[in-house]
Amino acid sequence: DAKTTQPPSMDCAEGRAANLPCNHSTISGNEYVYWYRQIHSQGPQYIIHGLKNNETNEMASLIITEDRKSSTLILPHATLRDTAVYYCIVRVSSNDYKLSFGAGTTVTVRA
Amino acid sequence: GAGVSQSPSNKVTEKGKDVELRCDPISGHTALYWYRQSLGQGLEFLIYFQGNSAPDKSGLPSDRFSAERTGGSVSTLTIQRTQQEDSAVYLCASSPAGAAYGYTFGSGTRLTVV
Repeated sequence: DAKTTQPPSMDCAEGRAANLPCNHSTISGNEYVYWYRQIHSQGPQYIIHGLKNNETNEMASLIITEDRKSSTLILPHATLRDTAVYYCIVRVSSNDYKLSFGAGTTVTVRA
Repeated sequence: GAGVSQSPSNKVTEKGKDVELRCDPISGHTALYWYRQSLGQGLEFLIYFQGNSAPDKSGLPSDRFSAERTGGSVSTLTIQRTQQEDSAVYLCASSPAGAAYGYTFGSGTRLTVV
């Protein structure tokens, strides 16, 4: 799998948008970008994934650059409950089940 | 059930003892996965079950680790002769067959070997 690089931490004000960057410059053409998060003492939670088009769901938006070497996860209106470690990974979909997370970005949402 | 259920949530055991960790996946999910997460470390794949196929055990760190899945539902991860380096959070996840998107994880079992 392609490696990803994320900043170790970031703060965000409650109610504001949180923009989380991820670099994946060695991504292959068949690899998807996935985002998960892990709130303290809970298991990882799937957020969103995409191949090359921007994606949006009820939790977040994913913006992937045209060259696919980087992406940004956007939490449109951060709440205190969004405080978590956010993981960006790249993997081939469907049968690629050997998930492996790095250190991720620790996001702290402040009131 | 509504989510993936794991038990116990916490387990403290003495070095050398055997432990069993249980996972109840979401009803109807044919794929089940075990991972572990050590303090300050990322996620590490352990084993994968898919329906009646032979499980992928390639992530098990040693032959002290084994897992079963009975009736295509509940799974048990067994660690024999536990060592201190086995201390970690053991996470179970399940998904529908061939899911291209994320899995549903349980809250994990925190294992501490003293």
